[in-house]
Amino acid sequence: EIVMTQSPATLSVSPGEGATLSCRASQSVSSNLAWYQQKPGQAPRLLIYGASTRATGVPARFSGSGSGTEFTLTISSLQSEDFAVYYCQQYNNWPLTFGGGTKVEIK
Amino acid sequence: EVQLLESGGGLVQPGGSLRLSCAASGFTFRSYAMSWVRQAPGKGLEWVSAISTSGGSTYYADSVKGRFTISRDKSKNTLYLQMNSLRAEDTAVYYCAKDLLVGAFDAFDIWGQGTMVTVSS
Repeated sequence: EIVMTQSPATLSVSPGEGATLSCRASQSVSSNLAWYQQKPGQAPRLLIYGASTRATGVPARFSGSGSGTEFTLTISSLQSEDFAVYYCQQYNNWPLTFGGGTKVEIK
Repeated sequence: EVQLLESGGGLVQPGGSLRLSCAASGFTFRSYAMSWVRQAPGKGLEWVSAISTSGGSTYYADSVKGRFTISRDKSKNTLYLQMNSLRAEDTAVYYCAKDLLVGAFDAFDIWGQGTMVTVSS
């Protein structure tokens, strides 16, 4: 099983600042990596797939990068609606696995 | 509008069974692989099971293998998860999720609202 490790667990950011979230895979997942955003009481929302492609309707302030085992989600200027939990997920190998999540909170 | 609507959750005793349903609408259900993903209270996301477009290929997390069965009914545009021998650790919100690309296993672009399963005596 591929273990996905996200860091940090919690990120405190002021509105308007940027944020960088990391995701590491225990073995290569090529570019088969997705990022999701989840707000309290809601289902996850797909942000990024293929490591770097924004999903339909996702603002340009969200960008993804990386391949192999190291991935990054960057939010260029945090808006109030961006404070949430973010998960990475690999879909290169069975079983599919998620990272433990990074909570982005207001500083 | 593309939509997934889960149902069938509830309270069940340890060792009991439950069948979850996920009604799909707004897209060609038979063309997309589907999955179930769960989230225990206050915890992260855990993929549970996936099924191919034809239903001929199914995949399971080790934690549910041998106890859960995923299936789909193309005539009803519905995904199912039969859950047997339920344990306390199966307590979670269960989401159904649609794969992004036709015919492939990949990221999940559409999620249902979730249905709560509580396993407790």
